Order: sequence, then C-alpha cells, then structure tokens
Amino acid sequence: SQQGEEDPQALSIQEGENATMNCSYKTSINNLQWYRQNSGRGLVHLILIRSNEREKHSGRLRVTLDTSKKSSSLLITASRAADTASYFCATVPNSGYSTLTFGKGTMLLVSP
Amino acid sequence: NAGVTQTPKFQVLKTGQSMTLQCAQDMNHNSMYWYRQDPGMGLRLIYYSASEGTTDKGEVPNGYNVSRLNKREFSLRLESAAPSQTSVYFCATLGGAFTGELFFGEGSRLTVL
Repeated sequence: SQQGEEDPQALSIQEGENATMNCSYKTSINNLQWYRQNSGRGLVHLILIRSNEREKHSGRLRVTLDTSKKSSSLLITASRAADTASYFCATVPNSGYSTLTFGKGTMLLVSP
Repeated sequence: NAGVTQTPKFQVLKTGQSMTLQCAQDMNHNSMYWYRQDPGMGLRLIYYSASEGTTDKGEVPNGYNVSRLNKREFSLRLESAAPSQTSVYFCATLGGAFTGELFFGEGSRLTVL
C-alpha cells in the first residue's frame, strides 16, 4: 500500500526557477525521506527529516514536515537542467524500516 | 567502493522460466531489501532481510523467493516467471538505524514474454 503520495505527478520549469513538490501520508511516522532517481538509474537519498523536526536544509534543498497535516514538501531552489529527475518521498513508520513505503513520485523537468 | 551491485542489468525470460537476481554490497550493512518498480506504482517491497540468516515477506512476495547467503549477498529468485513480473528490480541496503537512508543498486530490468 502506498503511504506517501506526491503532488504534482509532473512539474516542468525553467532553469533558475524554484521547484516545490509535496508529499502526503496517512499514518504516524518516525521519519520521512526524499530520494531522487535519474532516468534508468537507482534511487539516491537526498535528505531525511525526523518526526520531531519541522524544517531541514541541505544545499539547495529545503524540506519541511507538518505532522499535524501529515505532509511534507521538498523545495529545490535555483533549479538546474541537471535536477531533471523523478523525486520520491518515503515514509518510515514507528514500526520500522520493514514497512517503509514509497510514493509514486514527481517527475521534474528543468528546461535550459 | 562499489556500494550495491546488482546482476544482471537486463534479462528477458519466457513465461515459466526461472532465474535469480543477485545483489552484493560492500558497505557492511545488516539490512537488505528487494523492491520492484512499475510505472505509476512507485516502489513496492518484495522481501527484506534484517540480518544475515533472516528473511521476511514484504508487500508483494508472491512468486518470489530470497536467500541471504551471507552478510554481503541477498538474492531474489523467480521460480516460474510470469508476464506480471516484468518490472525493474532494485536491491537496497539500510545505512543504519541512526542515518536511516537506503542505498540502492542500479536496478535489474526484467522482461517476461
């Protein structure tokens, strides 16, 4: 069962613009993670935010978590063509990593 | 360091044939996972192994078997392949309870005719 659901399914922007993706989930979590997948490649971990954290930064990435709304957002600032990829949120419930579930992803296209 | 290595990268099978997907890691991680990725479905957990000698079913285990041969290797076997098993398969390891990130292989693309 899909715990996280990303929104939008696809996003097309110009280089230099900001990209925002959202993730909603259903049950209580221990942490929420964002992953990136380039076409034809494996997933790469971007950032993890724990349930007691509200915001986290890593380079051009900013992640927020609102546990009351059961939602998270990933902001990529000053997008580059190389950011073109699919982005997935993954939720880890309190029961542990055996029940980690991925959303269906947001496909981001950044045009030069 | 190679990280997580999957073989083969591509495979075409006929319905009813069997095959084994291999996964090896050199990161000394305890937990290993097999996922499948289908268009519009995201990633779904097939089987996982919390440590050497243990395996457990995930969300979609039917039609698959696994072996945790040692700490480094975790294989996924299709005994009698079906067209519904056409997918991209990913092996992953867990970086640790504190770091919490999964490390993925590059995937094995399987087509069952």
